Amino acid sequence: GAGVSQSPRYKVAKRGQDVALRCDPISGHVSLFWYQQALGQGPEFLTYFQNEAQLDKSGLPSDRFFAERPEGSVSTLKIQRTQQEDSAVYLCASSFYRTGKNSPLHFGNGTRLTVT
Amino acid sequence: AQRVTQPEKLLSVFKGAPVELKCNYSYSGSPELFWYVQYSRQRLQLLLRHISRESIKGFTADLNKGETSFHLKKPFAQEEDSAMYYCALKWGNYGQNFVFGPGTRLSVLP
Repeated sequence: GAGVSQSPRYKVAKRGQDVALRCDPISGHVSLFWYQQALGQGPEFLTYFQNEAQLDKSGLPSDRFFAERPEGSVSTLKIQRTQQEDSAVYLCASSFYRTGKNSPLHFGNGTRLTVT
Repeated sequence: AQRVTQPEKLLSVFKGAPVELKCNYSYSGSPELFWYVQYSRQRLQLLLRHISRESIKGFTADLNKGETSFHLKKPFAQEEDSAMYYCALKWGNYGQNFVFGPGTRLSVLP
């Protein structure tokens, strides 16, 4: 597709439920990122993939958060036993290059998760 | 630790007035800085990056390493510039991580 696609756009979960958020990056983009954006805040880094390898997961807030990108394209962010503090917009971004200067991020529209 | 600060949560200016959105960073390495913008109901998108030394939609930003700043400027604000603006620092072992500031909401009044 033309841009990064995320689904669903909105998700309401009851506390304790598991959720799965999907990201479809721009075709051919090597790098994929997940960010969490709380209300009134800037995006906070969660995890980074280079192709199918998860090279950095230092931003995942707890072991309830898990991300995968098994074939180096589509990625899923899973949150187990959701808590109210997990309510946020989850942004996915991709970039073409692994490293180097001219590799800005291309963002999806995000998934707004509300835990009740 | 790497950090980006944007001291103003909200900045209101009148159409035609100059605007400056402040950004300061802390990073021990060689910084690579970006401005991202989010218009109403749109996704976050790149506005400009310091290495390109470009002007996009009339906006410019100069990296000042001495002051560790990357302020965004435009001499004559337009109503369509109203949006959320995020300053971002790129870093990481793989040169891949981005740290974002909290954002500044720019409101250009008619």
